[in-house]
Amino acid sequence: ETGVTQTPRHLVMGMTNKKSLKCEQHLGHNAMYWYKQSAKKPLELMFVYNFKEQTENNSVPSRFSPECPNSSHLFLHLHTLQPEDSALYLCASSQDAGGTTAGNTIYFGEGSWLTVV
Amino acid sequence: RKEVEQDPGPFNVPEGATVAFNCTYSNSASQSFFWYRQDCRKEPKLLMSVYSSGNEDGRFTAQLNRASQYISLLIRDSKLSDSATYLCVVNELTGGGNKLTFGTGTQLKVEL
Repeated sequence: ETGVTQTPRHLVMGMTNKKSLKCEQHLGHNAMYWYKQSAKKPLELMFVYNFKEQTENNSVPSRFSPECPNSSHLFLHLHTLQPEDSALYLCASSQDAGGTTAGNTIYFGEGSWLTVV
Repeated sequence: RKEVEQDPGPFNVPEGATVAFNCTYSNSASQSFFWYRQDCRKEPKLLMSVYSSGNEDGRFTAQLNRASQYISLLIRDSKLSDSATYLCVVNELTGGGNKLTFGTGTQLKVEL
């Protein structure tokens, strides 16, 4: 059983729809992340939250809106997406977003497969 | 130049073979390094951290060469279950905290 759970696992949405991806971590971590994985491309960091505060927005278009109500939950609100936004969206968590020890590793959820039509 | 560069493969090897992957990184300020494994249509999972002195975990050996800015992963006695994509991950400490940069991955196919 994964310590990071994401819902829904699969989502198909039209370009005018509004939907949300949900992530919950049960690891007692303080940092949570959204990554995007497109075919043939490396994972792209989208957002970082550390102790509920957004510490990084990697130039993500405003049609993606994150929300972190507490250290265990992270949402990604989707609005007027484009077909090129179709990808696997991965949530992840780590003990915190600072520090450089190899032990501060990152754990991923199973991902949400998003298709924009 | 890509921040983290890997040969995408695929590497097709027979069961029992030894296979090695290399990864180069461009930022000399990078401070920690990892190998992740990703199975088809699954999330990445930590395989092992990479320490300066090199480290071994069973059939897997990871090494770091800071001077040349590359890390390697050696898999001995390959199993069918080793078939996956192996992601090189480099961590840099920025003002916002840890910044993990992923390579595109190297695909390994172990065959009978």
